[in-house]
Amino acid sequence: ELKVEQNPLFLSMQEGKNYTIYCNYSTTSDRLYWYRQDPGKSLESLFVLLSNGAVKQEGRLMASLDTKARLSTLHITAAVHDLSATYFCAVSSNSNSGYALNFGKGTSLLVTP
Amino acid sequence: NAGVTQTPKFRILKIGQSMTLQCTQDMNHNYMYWYRQDPGMGLKLIYYSVGAGITDKGEVPNGYNVSRSTTEDFPLRLELAAPSQTSVYFCASSAQGGVLRGTQYFGPGTRLLVL
Repeated sequence: ELKVEQNPLFLSMQEGKNYTIYCNYSTTSDRLYWYRQDPGKSLESLFVLLSNGAVKQEGRLMASLDTKARLSTLHITAAVHDLSATYFCAVSSNSNSGYALNFGKGTSLLVTP
Repeated sequence: NAGVTQTPKFRILKIGQSMTLQCTQDMNHNYMYWYRQDPGMGLKLIYYSVGAGITDKGEVPNGYNVSRSTTEDFPLRLELAAPSQTSVYFCASSAQGGVLRGTQYFGPGTRLLVL
């Protein structure tokens, strides 16, 4: 069974600060996803990481993947209030499960002034 | 493109009632999924489909049924609703093959309350 663990689950940080969210997964997978969810809303795709060492950046968010360590990180640089949301990492299962996603529990991020 | 659409947005059911959650996508995706999201938890897979006429169970299928008669539609049926089925239900779709294989696009969700 593929398990995905995120930490921390809750994060309160001040505007302008940096922080990293961690995502560990239990078995090999060829791709990892980061999604954002605003309260009461659907999930929005942020990043798809396809290979070991992959790094992607969008604005103040940067995601990386280490497949050997089965670890992905989502780094937040100089946080702003608009980044307040819940962030999920998800790992793709194989074709036998239709490439369904296995999600972590999410990290609820609150950015305060 | 509308992407993935779901109806209804919100529904209250009495214990033992049945209902169908509708999901439609206009991206010609072969893969479609139903997930449920409970408070403080990630999403859990209920059922998935890899094409019209082909469906399979996910992690939490009990109490649900699906069908896939067309590429566009993937309805989720709840029979004999129970309070444990109170949740937010998300439908998603993804393309088959290519670089973006597996990236799932989510609908707006259906909030279901069973009393």
